[in-house]
Amino acid sequence: NAGVTQTPKFQVLKTGQSMTLQCAQDMNHEYMSWYRQDPGMGLRLIHYSVGAGITDQGEVPNGYNVSRSTTEDFPLRLLSAAPSQTSVYFCASRPGTRGYEQYFGPGTRLTVT
Amino acid sequence: KNQVEQSPQSLIILEGKNCTLQCNYTVSPFSNLRWYKQDTGRGPVSLTIMTFSENTKSNGRYTATLDADTKQSSLHITASQLSDSASYICVVSASGGSYIPTFGRGTSLIVHP
Repeated sequence: NAGVTQTPKFQVLKTGQSMTLQCAQDMNHEYMSWYRQDPGMGLRLIHYSVGAGITDQGEVPNGYNVSRSTTEDFPLRLLSAAPSQTSVYFCASRPGTRGYEQYFGPGTRLTVT
Repeated sequence: KNQVEQSPQSLIILEGKNCTLQCNYTVSPFSNLRWYKQDTGRGPVSLTIMTFSENTKSNGRYTATLDADTKQSSLHITASQLSDSASYICVVSASGGSYIPTFGRGTSLIVHP
């Protein structure tokens, strides 16, 4: 199993550009989520999905869109990048919604200039 | 507001020594508490998951304790190794309809030879 994979590993965007961060898992997990990690702060949940076709907002959803057309993939879209979105982004998955071990991807380091 | 406070913010110990990291939370109603290890430049890796009824859980040299009455948890690392140098993150989830976990800011542990 590859586990949770994320691409790209690094990305630099200009303000106003859009892009999609890719996330895939091969463990047949129902629950997937996106977090951002900023210096001096805990990870914050952006969006999550409890299964294909179902998504919901987390703690900091503004400026981001998600979709879940398959169990395996959960892309995160930045609609119009802003410097405040400079961060490290982690995708995670787990078999169910509560009480299960959660697996994180390696992260995408995004810089918006 | 749900909060997770970790202490100390950083810790330096010598290889072979033991240490204990603290986590206090105000998340309610409580569902579960997780400890993660995050190496620099990598995604978090799960160490333990504890529910309300569990007081202690071990994973090798890592032992987590939970006191749900005082809303405190600790992570004890025995016979530290250089590879234990990392950030340790406490995460608390609430029961009910919210799937948004509350992350602590982490304790940065450095193990010196």
